[in-house]
Amino acid sequence: DTAVSQTPKYLVTQMGNDKSIKCEQNLGHDTMYWYKQDSKKFLKIMFSYNNKELIINETVPNRFSPKSPDKAHLNLHINSLELGDSAVYFCASSGQPGILFFGSGTQLSVL
Amino acid sequence: GNSVTQMEGPVTLSEEAFLTINCTYTATGYPSLFWYVQYPGEGLQLLLKATKADDKGSNKGFEATYRKETTSFHLEKGSVQVSDSAVYFCALSFGGSQGNLIFGKGTKLSVKP
Repeated sequence: DTAVSQTPKYLVTQMGNDKSIKCEQNLGHDTMYWYKQDSKKFLKIMFSYNNKELIINETVPNRFSPKSPDKAHLNLHINSLELGDSAVYFCASSGQPGILFFGSGTQLSVL
Repeated sequence: GNSVTQMEGPVTLSEEAFLTINCTYTATGYPSLFWYVQYPGEGLQLLLKATKADDKGSNKGFEATYRKETTSFHLEKGSVQVSDSAVYFCALSFGGSQGNLIFGKGTKLSVKP
């Protein structure tokens, strides 16, 4: 069983479209995250949820909206996609500070 | 602010060579320190950690010692293998309800047979 699973693995779409990435964890963790990894492999936190409550909301355009229906799920919805949104998006969960379990990533390509 | 600085890559080594990847941090307080590894096409995995000064983290032949006096957490391995080829990330965390990681920019390691 995959501990942190995110779908889809690849997402190719046109500018201006709206898309969602789903994430689920079966580790029983209270905290979940979204990270963005750019083409140079730099990782930046976008959002953090603890027990369905938003804890961290970094400087991210409001076109990005996370939603946590329950503590095992944290989805990311992106409106009006732009070229600069192309990146790999990682979901992660944590039961202890600093010890994160990452999904395998969603490679988003905006054409 | 809090930040992590890693040596720039890529680093290319021959199999069985000695590896050092430098990592220094800037922090207000005493963070926990981590090394994560990302194999091609995968998400990051925790490699090792240290939670206080002079702690040594170790795993899979890799080691790193938390040096408060030099604010460093350098990653070392005595004899690398081709399977160690990956991107290595140094990170810090202050714990608490946020507990998010602040990552360095990553160092790509390629090991040639």
